[in-house]
Amino acid sequence: AQSVTQLDSQVPVFEEAPVELRCNYSSSVSVYLFWYVQYPNQGLQLLLKYLSGSTLVKGINGFEAEFNKSQTSFHLRKPSVHISDTAEYFCAVSGGGGFKTIFGAGTRLFVKA
Amino acid sequence: NAGVTQTPKFRVLKTGQSMTLLCAQDMNHEYMYWYRQDPGMGLRLIHYSVGEGTTAKGEVPDGYNVSRLKKQNFLLGLESAAPSQTSVYFCASSYPRTGSSTDTQYFGPGTRLTVL
Repeated sequence: AQSVTQLDSQVPVFEEAPVELRCNYSSSVSVYLFWYVQYPNQGLQLLLKYLSGSTLVKGINGFEAEFNKSQTSFHLRKPSVHISDTAEYFCAVSGGGGFKTIFGAGTRLFVKA
Repeated sequence: NAGVTQTPKFRVLKTGQSMTLLCAQDMNHEYMYWYRQDPGMGLRLIHYSVGEGTTAKGEVPDGYNVSRLKKQNFLLGLESAAPSQTSVYFCASSYPRTGSSTDTQYFGPGTRLTVL
């Protein structure tokens, strides 16, 4: 079975500071990894995804994530955050022949002025 | 191109009442999903559909039924609502490309349901 753990439920950070949102997964098969963002009162939208190839994945809005197979992690980073990045971020995993996606519990990012 | 739309946006029910949530997508996607989102639990899959006329159970199907009579619509029904079904419900769709596990899901804006 696959599972996803997001290690921080809330991350407060000042504007223009760097941020890292942590995600660990478990799976017995090859996985595909996703980060989705949910802005207030909206549905989720894709930030980036790792399917294969380069372990450093770049997404929208200046975010990037690094796939680390040995540590089973897929942490999301941004070098300088903006107020508009305040949102909830979900890490997700799929794979193993099925198509169901397993979502983490989410990390709420608060960007303060 | 509206993407994925959901109606209604908000609803309050009394215990035992029934209702249907409607999801519509205009992207010609084959796969559609219903999730519920609860605080601290992320999204959990209720039911899904891999094409018109087909549906299957997800992680938390009890108390819900679904139908996919048309490719663009996916309905979620609650026959007898319970307070435990108070949640935010999201519909999503995806189009199978190289492999369904790799597909991006496109989400609607959600329906906030309260059961008293």
